[in-house]
Amino acid sequence: SAVISQKPSRDICQRGTSLTIQCQVDSQVTMMFWYRQQPGQSLTLIATANQGSEATYESGFVIDKFPISRPNLTFSTLTVSNMSPEDSSIYLCSVWNTHNYGYTFGSGTRLTVV
Amino acid sequence: KNEVEQSPQNLTAQEGEFITINCSYSVGISALHWLQQHPGGGIVSLFMLSSGKKKHGRLIATINIQEKHSSLHITASHPRDSAVYICAVNVEGNKLVFGAGTILRVKS
Repeated sequence: SAVISQKPSRDICQRGTSLTIQCQVDSQVTMMFWYRQQPGQSLTLIATANQGSEATYESGFVIDKFPISRPNLTFSTLTVSNMSPEDSSIYLCSVWNTHNYGYTFGSGTRLTVV
Repeated sequence: KNEVEQSPQNLTAQEGEFITINCSYSVGISALHWLQQHPGGGIVSLFMLSSGKKKHGRLIATINIQEKHSSLHITASHPRDSAVYICAVNVEGNKLVFGAGTILRVKS
C-alpha cells in the first residue's frame, strides 16, 4: 500500500487567516481525497483531487473556501481559507490503492481556529 | 436516517473479552471497510470486504450482503485495541460514506 506523509500534524490559527495542508505519497496514485472530521463527528468528503484538472467538490464545500492543488500524481494540498472557529476539525487526505483496492489515509491535521 | 449505522456508539470492555461491533447500511455498495482511528487522528485500514469473512490476527470481519450488515470482532481484547472503529462503504466512484464510529476502551 501507498504511504502518505501529511503536514502539519496540528496547528492553532487566528481567525481570518489561511492554512495549507500537504500530502505527499510515496507512489503515483490516481485518486486522492480530502476529508474533514468535525469534533465528535465522522468523516465527511470535501473533494476529490484530480491531477491536471480542478478538484471535484462535494455538496456544501466550495473552491473559494477549500482550494485544492494536485500538481502531480504524488502530491496534493488543501487550503482552508479565511478561517473561523467552525473550521476547527481534523483534516485528512486519503488515496485509493489500485494494487490492493484499499485506502490509505494520512495521519491527519488537527486544526484549531481561535 | 444515516446511510451507515454503527452500534454500539461506546463500548468498554475488560482485557481478554471478546468484542463485537456492528454496522448496517441502507444503500447499494461495492465494498465495505473497517477502519481504526487512534487519538492522534490518523486512520488505519483494517479490512475491505465484499463478501464472506476475513481474519487478521485477533481481528475478524464478516459481511452479509443480503442483510446489508457487517460485524467486526476482536478476540482476546487488549488495552492497545482502544481506539475508534469506523465502518465505511463504497457507494460510487470510490467515494466512501462513513459511519459515526464506535469508541472502544479496553481496560486492563
